[in-house]
Amino acid sequence: QKEVEQNSGPLSVPEGAIASLNCTYSDRVSQSFFWYRQYSGKSPELIMSIYSNGDKEDGRFTAQLNKASQYVSLLIRDSQPSDSATYLCAVHTDTGNQFYFGTGTSLTVIP
Amino acid sequence: KAGVTQTPRYLIKTRGQQVTLSCSPISGHRSVSWYQQTPGQGLQFLFEYFSETQRNKGNFPGRFSGRQFSNSRSEMNVSTLELGDSALYLCASSLAGQGYEQYFGPGTRLTVT
Repeated sequence: QKEVEQNSGPLSVPEGAIASLNCTYSDRVSQSFFWYRQYSGKSPELIMSIYSNGDKEDGRFTAQLNKASQYVSLLIRDSQPSDSATYLCAVHTDTGNQFYFGTGTSLTVIP
Repeated sequence: KAGVTQTPRYLIKTRGQQVTLSCSPISGHRSVSWYQQTPGQGLQFLFEYFSETQRNKGNFPGRFSGRQFSNSRSEMNVSTLELGDSALYLCASSLAGQGYEQYFGPGTRLTVT
């Protein structure tokens, strides 16, 4: 079992819809969670960080964390074609200072 | 505030050579982490430096090494290059470590022929 798992997609949504990206992790004591966006040929760009259970909103983006179920999700409201990219989930555990990226979910927003 | 910078942006080397890549973190950031990204393996962690000390290391052979200077700038070195080392090498800086928000540089694209 991989430490961080994401559905590789591709995920396609129409413009204006909500895109939902999911990530599960295996280490129950993980404490820090991050979402990155990566355009083709570019480096990852930090979108959101979340550290406690619940929702965290930033503009059109909402990160949701459920530590009991060991999943973290990213919702993108009013999806735009410019949101088309690969979204990477990352998880950090203080114990042992372990940090892992998922393999990413490819999102395409169709105009 | 200036972002993370990496030099060079592109490199072409031949098998057996060695290469040094450089990373300048965001001002005030003391942690620098290095990652290798390939289409087949995704983003893989190489090592993390904090205050000139290697604090964490991924599962890479000893040919991959790094260091951090007192101004937090970091270098990574790959000796005896192999074809499989062709990848995008990314560095990321954060205030205090991988448990904090990390900001990536543009990367160095290394091609080994």
